[in-house]
Amino acid sequence: DAGVTQSPTHLIKTRGQHVTLRCSPISGHKSVSWYQQVLGQGPQFIFQYYEKEERGRGNFPDRFSARQFPNYSSELNVNALLLGDSALYLCASSLEGWIYEQYFGPGTRLTVT
Amino acid sequence: DQQVKQNSPSLSVQEGRISILNCDYTNSMFDYFLWYKKYPAEGPTFLISISSIKDKNEDGRFTVFLNKSAKHLSLHIVPSQPGDSAVYFCAALPRGQFYFGTGTSLTVIP
Repeated sequence: DAGVTQSPTHLIKTRGQHVTLRCSPISGHKSVSWYQQVLGQGPQFIFQYYEKEERGRGNFPDRFSARQFPNYSSELNVNALLLGDSALYLCASSLEGWIYEQYFGPGTRLTVT
Repeated sequence: DQQVKQNSPSLSVQEGRISILNCDYTNSMFDYFLWYKKYPAEGPTFLISISSIKDKNEDGRFTVFLNKSAKHLSLHIVPSQPGDSAVYFCAALPRGQFYFGTGTSLTVIP
């Protein structure tokens, strides 16, 4: 069975641009969460979506937004990119809304120059 | 404010010996704790978890201990193997949102 997949693997953008990151959960999983991992830090929670609705939001500015589609895949959008947005963006899926066990994808490495 | 802390950025252990990774948290409302292991270029993978109603959970070579009064948990790996070399994150789950520590890089020396 395929695990959580994310695209693209790597991405380079310039300040002020917009970026869209994509995530496909494990088949049958209805919840997707997004995390930002800056070098040397642990993953920081950005959003959780369950059944296409936002279930939780971390302490990130409104430049960050996300959505979940009917097939449970998800997009993370970041507007007006800053240098500090350079990070590994991780997507995780779980079967239901309570994310006691979640499975992570390999991440998208975003570099903002 | 870092609510989950791993104060040791790195740890080196000889193969066959015990590895002990530590984690402290600040919020007494945290009721579920997990350890994740991360290899380079891969996402974190779930290792073991413990509910706040327990003080120990064991799975093969891995045991997690929880001391609620001290707000401290630890992961013991016995015996350590070279394949255990990775970054280990502890995480706390109060209510639908994971709080991760900063990670400890474990190196098991053959």
